[in-house]
Amino acid sequence: GQNIDQPTEMTATEGAIVQINCTYQTSGFNGLFWYQQHAGEAPTFLSYNVLDGLEEKGRFSSFLSRSKGYSYLLLKELQMKDSASYLCASMDSNYQLIWGAGTKLIIKP
Amino acid sequence: GAVVSQHPSRVICKSGTSVKIECRSLDFQATTMFWYRQFPKQSLMLMATSNEGSKATYEQGVEKDKFLINHASLTLSTLTVTSAHPEDSSFYICSAPTGETYEQYFGPGTRLTVT
Repeated sequence: GQNIDQPTEMTATEGAIVQINCTYQTSGFNGLFWYQQHAGEAPTFLSYNVLDGLEEKGRFSSFLSRSKGYSYLLLKELQMKDSASYLCASMDSNYQLIWGAGTKLIIKP
Repeated sequence: GAVVSQHPSRVICKSGTSVKIECRSLDFQATTMFWYRQFPKQSLMLMATSNEGSKATYEQGVEKDKFLINHASLTLSTLTVTSAHPEDSSFYICSAPTGETYEQYFGPGTRLTVT
């Protein structure tokens, strides 16, 4: 079956670094997405990885290992506004997104 | 980036009535749009894939006669919740890829409350 696993909740301190992990099993693979979703709002796109390795985009970086079915989102220099849910989604062979349950990130001062 | 709008943003209706939600791609043409439902503290659940000019594809467990989808043009898809009940209260979100990349652009969502 198809499955995406990510931690339910994480807590980090303002200014610190946090890594949110995601493991996936999907029928075929056409890339791994990370989205940010603030409470009551729609998700916004953060990153897309289809090749192994690290993609850096400002304070956010995303890593993919296709052989391990594993990805992580790395957030640096955390700010209070980074408090949100982070959704991992794998695109299967039908180009359909399979979504994880999301990781709620709580930033403390 | 591409812009997707949704209307209304919030709607409260009485049990047994129908509600229509519109999803528009404002600056690109979308042959495909996706409709999701999200219950509190849960992830996105794909309800159906809306295809311009043809019938929508519904996910298992989603009643096509209850959730009517119409994709009449390349910029508009509508979801009608027919005979709504309190258990249909949820956050409904649409998304669309531009076709240039695999990224999906999301509308701002519609909060439906059925009393």
